[in-house]
Amino acid sequence: DVKVTQSSRYLVKRTGEKVFLECVQDMDHENMFWYRQDPGLGLRLIYFSYDVKMKEKGDIPEGYSVSREKKERFSLILESASTNQTSMYLCASSPHTAGTGDSSTDTQYFGPGTRLTVL
Amino acid sequence: QKEVEQDPGPLSVPEGAIVSLNCTYSNSAFQYFMWYRQYSRKGPELLMYTYSSGNKEDGRFTAQVDKSSKYISLFIRDSQPSDSATYLCAMSANSGYSTLTFGKGTMLLVSP
Repeated sequence: DVKVTQSSRYLVKRTGEKVFLECVQDMDHENMFWYRQDPGLGLRLIYFSYDVKMKEKGDIPEGYSVSREKKERFSLILESASTNQTSMYLCASSPHTAGTGDSSTDTQYFGPGTRLTVL
Repeated sequence: QKEVEQDPGPLSVPEGAIVSLNCTYSNSAFQYFMWYRQYSRKGPELLMYTYSSGNKEDGRFTAQVDKSSKYISLFIRDSQPSDSATYLCAMSANSGYSTLTFGKGTMLLVSP
């Protein structure tokens, strides 16, 4: 089974702190994603990465950065946390495929999420 | 017009009911369609996957895709209290290299 783990389930930080959220996957997937999920707004893509050292902005990258030094690990960084970054953060991974029509290769697998509260 | 529309609910049904969950979309390039189930305070888990049009059945769950109408559905037969969760539809134009476009999710409550 694909396993995506996130470093913390719950995190409380103060405004202005630098926050690191870690995500690790064990299936040798090339693609990794960071989302935030808020009531009424659904899942919104923050950043994603197709390979080591590569990153692409998603829909809401402002206030965030990412790091991918190893294939299995994708970190989300809040440079200076603010109260409007209080949210559920979800990491996902998927393999590179050429459109096999196979659900095991064509979908994203999610971690359990980190609920971040910024006071 | 949003790319993917999904009624947020909540949808409340008694145990044993047939449940129908739906999404509409505007991008005709979408050809990979997924349903994720998300329990409270957990990450989404893949429930059903369909490539292009047609039906797919897995136990009590049936996924339908009608590309001509840009409409996808998830049916749950003999619903159980354990089916109470938020159901997210997701879709993409290309697999692998593509990002997913999600609906906002429908909350389902199945009462015993």
